[in-house]
Amino acid sequence: QVQLQESGPGLVKPSETLSLTCAVSGYSISSGYYWGWIRQPPGKGLEWIGSIYHSGSTYYNPSLKSRVTISVDTSKNQFSLKLSSVTAADTAVYYCARAGFGWGYLDAFDIWGQGTMVTVSS
Amino acid sequence: EIVLTQSPGTLSLSPGERATLSCRASQSVSSSYLAWYQQKPGQAPRLLIYGASSRATGIPDRFSGSGSGTDFTLTISRLEPEDFAVYYCQQYGSSPGTFGGGTKVEIK
Repeated sequence: QVQLQESGPGLVKPSETLSLTCAVSGYSISSGYYWGWIRQPPGKGLEWIGSIYHSGSTYYNPSLKSRVTISVDTSKNQFSLKLSSVTAADTAVYYCARAGFGWGYLDAFDIWGQGTMVTVSS
Repeated sequence: EIVLTQSPGTLSLSPGERATLSCRASQSVSSSYLAWYQQKPGQAPRLLIYGASSRATGIPDRFSGSGSGTDFTLTISRLEPEDFAVYYCQQYGSSPGTFGGGTKVEIK
């Protein structure tokens, strides 16, 4: 059974960098699929942040591209998100998920982590 | 980017009734790359439908998806108590992939 688990600080100061990691179990990232990050501000809808392949190929939402870096560590079977220069508008639940149908980074997400709340505040 | 508009914003129905949810795209969604998700409070979204009409693994057949181009529909044939939740559509035919604003299905 494939499972994803996000981890990282729940509180980040404005202008600093948000860093999260998604640990994958039950499946080797090196075997395929794209892996993505999606966020959801409190009481609002979902926003795709970006996705990565085990080779390191990345695709980002243009609205966040200048501030986002997604990386992968196949030896630890995990991938990570860094979002720089955060403001209160970046306060959200951050989810990692698997793009599950092999159609590339543009795909439906079939398996999701439980999500982690990140608050940007001084 | 493609903007997805979901309607209605809230749907008030009773268990056993039929629910019809709409998702309209600002441009044609290529190859019907349209998905539907269910989200309950405090939980991650769960994939229900992909490719506009294919049910994901383990999804009951009371959930069905239809549509093409710019107009898509999620139908729940007979609402069960566990179906009251928020539903989101997502298009993944054009970059960036985008989500609709959601439809809340609440108990009447």
